[in-house]
Amino acid sequence: EAGVAQSPRYKIIEKRQSVAFWCNPISGHATLYWYQQILGQGPKLLIQFQNNGVVDDSQLPKDRFSAERLKGVDSTLKIQPAKLEDSAVYLCASSSPPTVAKNIQYFGAGTRLSVL
Amino acid sequence: AQSVTQPDIHITVSEGASLELRCNYSYGATPYLFWYVQSPGQGLQLLLKYFSGDTLVQGIKGFEAEFKRSQSSFNLRKPSVHWSDAAEYFCAVGLNDYKLSFGAGTTVTVRA
Repeated sequence: EAGVAQSPRYKIIEKRQSVAFWCNPISGHATLYWYQQILGQGPKLLIQFQNNGVVDDSQLPKDRFSAERLKGVDSTLKIQPAKLEDSAVYLCASSSPPTVAKNIQYFGAGTRLSVL
Repeated sequence: AQSVTQPDIHITVSEGASLELRCNYSYGATPYLFWYVQSPGQGLQLLLKYFSGDTLVQGIKGFEAEFKRSQSSFNLRKPSVHWSDAAEYFCAVGLNDYKLSFGAGTTVTVRA
């Protein structure tokens, strides 16, 4: 079974530029998550999708971040314009929980973003 | 508010020695508890999980964790570490809305 795919693996941009990340979840997983992991910290949830609808985006800085999940499969996360503090690893995860107790999230390798 | 605390930022252990990583949580009810491991440049891999029942949980790679309700803890242990166990370890709490709340992580260094 293929895992969660993310691209690119690395991205270096200058501040005020825009950037986009792509995620392909495990086949059949209805729930998709984007996390931001700043160096030295645990992952922080940015947005959660259920199929192609947003369940929770309370932690997403909506003035600069946007995300979509067209057709309930692939997802893209965009930052425009980027700030220095956006330097982090962006992780995508997916799950297919029949119940909350069985919500095992599977993570991709992440995209490491450096904003100069 | 729910929170997860991993008191140890960095632990160094000799190869073959035992390892224990601490995790404490603050949550109104019995949460669903997870330990994930992240090797350099990799995503997070699930080591083990606790939902209910037996409070001693076995995971992959020889790890186990014990849930102690009275101490609000879910500590991770391994009897004998291998050099390949060098990584960052995250404790996480699963919330009722399918979200995970992570601790800040503990970095494990294994010396020969």
